[in-house]
Amino acid sequence: KNEVEQSPQNLTAQEGEFITINCSYSVGISALHWLQQHPGGGIVSLFMLSSGKKKHGRLIATINIQEKHSSLHITASHPRDSAVYICARRKTSGSRLTFGEGTQLTVNP
Amino acid sequence: SAVISQKPSRDICQRGTSLTIQCQVDSQVTMMFWYRQQPGQSLTLIATANQGSEATYESGFVIDKFPISRPNLTFSTLTVSNMSPEDSSIYLCSAKGGAGGPIQYNEQFFGPGTRLTVL
Repeated sequence: KNEVEQSPQNLTAQEGEFITINCSYSVGISALHWLQQHPGGGIVSLFMLSSGKKKHGRLIATINIQEKHSSLHITASHPRDSAVYICARRKTSGSRLTFGEGTQLTVNP
Repeated sequence: SAVISQKPSRDICQRGTSLTIQCQVDSQVTMMFWYRQQPGQSLTLIATANQGSEATYESGFVIDKFPISRPNLTFSTLTVSNMSPEDSSIYLCSAKGGAGGPIQYNEQFFGPGTRLTVL
């Protein structure tokens, strides 16, 4: 079992749909990161969170520490949201990131 | 936040040659990292680039193959030496904020990546 598991692996949506990507981790964390990787390879850091919820534009990230689970939501999805979304956890403040396998999101017009 | 740039953005190289990738961060950072992402895979940490001292390599990666420099708090290079087709990957530079620095503590940023193809 991977230390960080994401679901689904692949997700296809129609423009305007509400999207949820899930991330579960097996041990306690100091922080959980959501990253976005576009086809060119570059990675954008979307959120770093250790509790509660954060929002930026149409993106919302939530985390439930007790259940060791985080979700990334995209409201009013758009084709430009098409990318790989990666969840990564940091176990302690000085430790390295452990990455999930990523969720390939395709939003069709 | 921090903005990270990498050069080159992509390259096609011949087997047996070496390529040096440069990484520049727009603010001083405590820690810089180099990752590899092989096709269809997640990110794998190659090493932590330490300012003023030798890099710390992860299991399976060695200095002779992946020499790293970090002359100051904003710049690092990774060299992929004696390349083979198995080295074809995206190489990503990353930086993490430390205590008291300009970036939020433990916030981690990534560069645009260098897409390397070895023939």
